Amino acid sequence: ILNVEQSPQSLHVQEGDSTNFTCSFPSSNFYALHWYRWETAKSPEALFVMTLNGDEKKKGRISATLNTKEGYSYLYIKGSQPEDSATYLCAPFSGSARQLTFGSGTQLTVLP
Amino acid sequence: DTGVSQDPRHKITKRGQNVTFRCDPISEHNRLYWYRQTLGQGPEFLTYFQNEAQLEKSRLLSDRFSAERPKGSFSTLEIQRTEQGDSAMYLCASSLPSGGDTQYFGPGTRLTVL
Repeated sequence: ILNVEQSPQSLHVQEGDSTNFTCSFPSSNFYALHWYRWETAKSPEALFVMTLNGDEKKKGRISATLNTKEGYSYLYIKGSQPEDSATYLCAPFSGSARQLTFGSGTQLTVLP
Repeated sequence: DTGVSQDPRHKITKRGQNVTFRCDPISEHNRLYWYRQTLGQGPEFLTYFQNEAQLEKSRLLSDRFSAERPKGSFSTLEIQRTEQGDSAMYLCASSLPSGGDTQYFGPGTRLTVL
């Protein structure tokens, strides 16, 4: 079982603030890193799938970077809006585990 | 809507009863996954299918849990002799065949065992 850690566990920010979260995972046997957003009462929604060291992906105000050598990824949200309030989950896919192993998530609350 | 659907959305049962959940994946996806999520944790892998073949099952999964995907389309997850510790959100996801491909999740079935 992979050890996947996300920090912080929860975060409250004011509307308009920028914020970032961390996901750390074992770097050995790495294949891909997935980020999901999960809003209350909805399905988890895929944000990014990242595979290459140094990769950077962007979707609107949300971006993510990946460091496979040291085993971490950052998710950034620029100018947070109340609709960004959700739990953000990361999940590496490794050749050893052969399935997604989710972290516990970062619960973001954006206050108006 | 062509997303992943799950039924029922909520299930309340008494300890010792059997329950069955259904998942309908996105039609062109031949991989189907089941996860369990408890409060404060991320989804935990239970099992997955490629077409009708169950290729992997978590070692943490009790023998009371069984999953099927008889025709390679919808899948069912059955829990026999439910226990209070089985109370959780049960999520289904589907994807294209590559192991690193995006998984598309359904809304989940919330199980409460009294």
